Amino acid sequence: GAGVSQTPSNKVTEKGKYVELRCDPISGHTALYWYRQSLGQGPEFLIYFQGTGAADDSGLPNDRFFAVRPEGSVSTLKIQRTERGYSAVYLCASSLKQGANTGELFFGEGSRLTVL
Amino acid sequence: TQLLEQSPQFLSIQEGENLTVYCNSSSVFSSLQWYRQEPGEGPVLLVTVVTGGEVKKLKRLTFQFGDARKDSSLHITAAQPGDTGLYLCAGASGTYKYIFGTGTRLKVLA
Repeated sequence: GAGVSQTPSNKVTEKGKYVELRCDPISGHTALYWYRQSLGQGPEFLIYFQGTGAADDSGLPNDRFFAVRPEGSVSTLKIQRTERGYSAVYLCASSLKQGANTGELFFGEGSRLTVL
Repeated sequence: TQLLEQSPQFLSIQEGENLTVYCNSSSVFSSLQWYRQEPGEGPVLLVTVVTGGEVKKLKRLTFQFGDARKDSSLHITAAQPGDTGLYLCAGASGTYKYIFGTGTRLKVLA
């Protein structure tokens, strides 16, 4: 596809369950970001990938959150033992420029997670 | 921890009015971007400013980066209902990390 694709667009789960959110970045973009956005707030940085490796995972709230990008393209954000406080929109973005601070972030439409 | 505070948090104005949104931090950023986000969509880049004191214009939108590269402003002239949305500033920390501001929700009434 032409843009960043995220699935599912909506996920409702129960407290304590495991969730996987998928991101398919723009082809050729080596940089990939995960952000979390609560209603009316700015996106909160979670993790950044450059290629297959997580270059910075300092934004992950705790060890229940984990993300992978095994082939340097599609990424999966995995959340174990979900809590109600994890309810938010999880945004994925990709960028073409490497090692530059002016690259444009292209965002997907997000995955809205609701934990009951 | 680097924080970007935006003000005002909410703004509701009539069509044709002017407005300014501010983005402030105690940290220095190597560059700063402004994004606009509509409901159900991801943020979309409006502009990137890199040099302290830089001013960029995009039609009715004027962006300024502070001389010390710690703050920025977005001015909209003659606002239109199509300008309605969530405006976000994002500062680049190092070479790749983008820290987003708290957001300003703008509503322009016809």
